[in-house]
Amino acid sequence: RKEVEQDPGPFNVPEGATVAFNCTYSNSASQSFFWYRQDCRKEPKLLMSVYSSGNEDGRFTAQLNRASQYISLLIRDSKLSDSATYLCVVNIGSSYKLIFGSGTRLLVRP
Amino acid sequence: NAGVTQTPKFRVLKTGQSMTLLCAQDMNHEYMYWYRQDPGMGLRLIHYSVGEGTTAKGEVPDGYNVSRLKKQNFLLGLESAAPSQTSVYFCASSPQGTGGNQPQHFGDGTRLSIL
Repeated sequence: RKEVEQDPGPFNVPEGATVAFNCTYSNSASQSFFWYRQDCRKEPKLLMSVYSSGNEDGRFTAQLNRASQYISLLIRDSKLSDSATYLCVVNIGSSYKLIFGSGTRLLVRP
Repeated sequence: NAGVTQTPKFRVLKTGQSMTLLCAQDMNHEYMYWYRQDPGMGLRLIHYSVGEGTTAKGEVPDGYNVSRLKKQNFLLGLESAAPSQTSVYFCASSPQGTGGNQPQHFGDGTRLSIL
């Protein structure tokens, strides 16, 4: 089993739609969680950290479910510019090393 | 504000050649990392460093060596390049933190092809 698993997609949605991605992780001792965004042929960039109580940043909402070991990302009112690959990232136990999922690809169409 | 800078951006090598990838960060970060990214796979950690003069192996270290002689620089070396090392290489850095709670900042990558 992969340490971090994501549906590769692609998710193809119209502008204005709401879309949600889930990610599961295998290490129950993981403490830090992030969503990164990666555009085609570019470097990953931090989208948002994921906190235990859930957190929101504009149109983006992240949730953590420790009992089921998954995190989610909700994007509301999708824009064309949201088209990218979204990487779920989890640390290994309490260390500073991060494990990256393979990513979920989002395509937002006009 | 440069952040993390990688050189070169692109390189084509022949099997058996050697080369060094340079990563430089100007954020005074303690930790630095080298990853490779291949199609359909997530980023895989090659080597990392938790401070000047220290390095450690990651998930896929074979065929690579690293050095961190200065805090701001982290070098990745390929002594004898193989076609299996064709990939996109990313360097990242992060500040010191506890429990891995600090996100990593990435350079814009080096595309390396081994013929």
